[in-house]
Amino acid sequence: EAGVAQSPRYKIIEKRQSVAFWCNPISGHATLYWYQQILGQGPKLLIQFQNNGVVDDSQLPKDRFSAERLKGVDSTLKIQPAKLEDSAVYLCASTRGEAGGATGELFFGEGSRLTVL
Amino acid sequence: AQSVTQLGSHVSVSEGALVLLRCNYSSSVPPYLFWYVQYPNQGLQLLLKYTTGATLVKGINGFEAEFKKSETSFHLTKPSAHMSDAAEYFCAVSDQDDKIIFGKGTRLHILP
Repeated sequence: EAGVAQSPRYKIIEKRQSVAFWCNPISGHATLYWYQQILGQGPKLLIQFQNNGVVDDSQLPKDRFSAERLKGVDSTLKIQPAKLEDSAVYLCASTRGEAGGATGELFFGEGSRLTVL
Repeated sequence: AQSVTQLGSHVSVSEGALVLLRCNYSSSVPPYLFWYVQYPNQGLQLLLKYTTGATLVKGINGFEAEFKKSETSFHLTKPSAHMSDAAEYFCAVSDQDDKIIFGKGTRLHILP
């Protein structure tokens, strides 16, 4: 079974530029998450999708971050314009679970490391 | 809302010694609890989980954790540390809607 795929693995941009990250979850996984992991901290949930609908985006800075999951499979996370404090690893995860239940075992990709100069 | 507190951002143990990583949680409903491990430049990997039933949970690589409701704890242990256990460990809690909240992590150092 193929794992969660993310790209690019590394990205360096200057502040005020834009960047996009892509995630392909495990086949058949209905729920997809984007987490932000700042150095020395635990992953922070940015957005959770159930199929192609948003379940929770309460911690997504919507003035600069956007995410979509067209057709309920792949997802992209965009930052525009980037700030210095956006430097972090962006982790994508997926799970079989349906909203309202399930065991919540997340399968993570290797992450996309963003450096904003 | 649920939350997780991990005591100690860094823990050092000698090779062969007991590993104990502490985790306390807060949840308004019976929680699901998890420990994840993250090796350098990799994503997180599930070590073990507690959902219902037996409170002592065994995971991969010889790790185990015990759910203690009275103490709201879910500490991670391993009887004998190996060099390969050096990594960052995250405790996490879910309130069963698939929303998982992670602690800040504990970096485990193994001393030769």
